[in-house]
Amino acid sequence: DQQVKQNSPSLSVQEGRISILNCDYTNSMFDYFLWYKKYPAEGPTFLISISSIKDKNEDGRFTVFLNKSAKHLSLHIVPSQPGDSAVYFCAAGTGANSKLTFGKGITLSVRP
Amino acid sequence: GEEVAQTPKHLVRGEGQKAKLYCAPIKGHSYVFWYQQVLKNEFKFLISFQNENVFDETGMPKERFSAKCLPNSPCSLEIQATKLEDSAVYFCASSQPKLSSDHSYNEQFFGPGTRLTVL
Repeated sequence: DQQVKQNSPSLSVQEGRISILNCDYTNSMFDYFLWYKKYPAEGPTFLISISSIKDKNEDGRFTVFLNKSAKHLSLHIVPSQPGDSAVYFCAAGTGANSKLTFGKGITLSVRP
Repeated sequence: GEEVAQTPKHLVRGEGQKAKLYCAPIKGHSYVFWYQQVLKNEFKFLISFQNENVFDETGMPKERFSAKCLPNSPCSLEIQATKLEDSAVYFCASSQPKLSSDHSYNEQFFGPGTRLTVL
C-alpha cells in the first residue's frame, strides 16, 4: 500500500520556466510534508517542508502548496535552473519526530 | 560533525555472511533513522532511535536485522546471514528534537549511504 505517490517518473522543463512536481497521499494522519532533492551517489538533501495547518510555504525559488481536501501537494520551482536537475522525493510524517514515508521520486531535467 | 557520516561507502558480502554498517549523526542531534533504498525506489523506513533508545522499530525485519545506538559510539545496523534481497543502499539520517506544538517538522539530514551488495 503506497501511502505517498509521485505518479510521474520524470519531468523536463526549459531553463527559466516553472517546474511543477506533484505528490498525492492517502493517509489522513500525515501532518507534515517535505521535499527532498537527491543527486546520484549522494544522500537526499532537505529542500522545503509544510505543516498540515498551512496551505503554502515559500523559500526563495521553491514554493510548496498543500491541498488537504484533495490530499495533494506540489512543489513549484521558479525559475528553473540546470542545477535543479535531480531526483525529487516527496515525503510525509506524523508527528514532529516521526519516520518519513517517501514517494518513488521524480527525475527533473532542466534543459539549458 | 556537521554532516551525517556513514561507513563504509560500499560493502560486498557473500550470501549468508554478516554485514555491519555504521552511522555517526550530526553532533547535537538526538534522533537517528535508518532507511533502505532498493533499486532507486522509495526509501523504506527500518528503525529510529532517540539517543540510545529505540523510538520506532515498526519497519525493522523481525529476523536477521538489528541496530544499536550506544553513547559515544557510532550507531550501527547489522544484518546477520545476508540474503540477495538485502542488496540496497542503506541511508542513515539524524534530526534535532522538536516539540509537536511548534508546528514544524524536524527535518532529517541524510548521510551519503552505504551500498550493500550481496552476491
